[in-house]
Amino acid sequence: EAQVTQNPRYLITVTGKKLTVTCSQNMNHEYMSWYRQDPGLGLRQIYYSMNVEVTDKGDVPEGYKVSRKEKRNFPLILESPSPNQTSLYFCASSLSGTGTYEQYFGPGTRLTVT
Amino acid sequence: ILNVEQSPQSLHVQEGDSTNFTCSFPSSNFYALHWYRWETAKSPEALFVMTLNGDEKKKGRISATLNTKEGYSYLYIKGSQPEDSATYLCAFSGNTGKLIFGQGTTLQVKP
Repeated sequence: EAQVTQNPRYLITVTGKKLTVTCSQNMNHEYMSWYRQDPGLGLRQIYYSMNVEVTDKGDVPEGYKVSRKEKRNFPLILESPSPNQTSLYFCASSLSGTGTYEQYFGPGTRLTVT
Repeated sequence: ILNVEQSPQSLHVQEGDSTNFTCSFPSSNFYALHWYRWETAKSPEALFVMTLNGDEKKKGRISATLNTKEGYSYLYIKGSQPEDSATYLCAFSGNTGKLIFGQGTTLQVKP
């Protein structure tokens, strides 16, 4: 089944404790992206990747890191999480980064930082 | 900063009503306009990706139109059903690889 998977689905952590949210897709998509969703603010793009070893900042990259060492995986790293990073996070992928292909979203990761 | 605006923010209609929403986006450096349907506790799912001025797309009772010169798109739902209740998101794609989402229109259809 074609899908985007994220782990963990739910995470409660404390300020400053490094964490990684994994994202994997099995559709051989070139483009992958991370979004956060906050009430009243819609989906905001954190980082995106046009292909392996190519990553770029989205609109809200501060406090996050990403890497794209393999085509299928695009982990999101929070080196020192803070309470303002409490949010619902979505990973997505699409066939290419031209913007003319639909994005497939993962199930979401709800992160709480206390 | 590029802005994508959706209106209305929320909408309550009766079953059987037809309805429409608006998405406004920058008219310069346009590559594509996406529409997604997002049900509570699920992930957004693509409805349409539109690229050409004057494009019209249809999926069942849902259709969309695109005007890239003036920077707007309409999403229409004909004969709304309770299962159409969801948040409808539009997103603008320019020439940078970024996808910029609007805040969404939340539709509630009462039986």
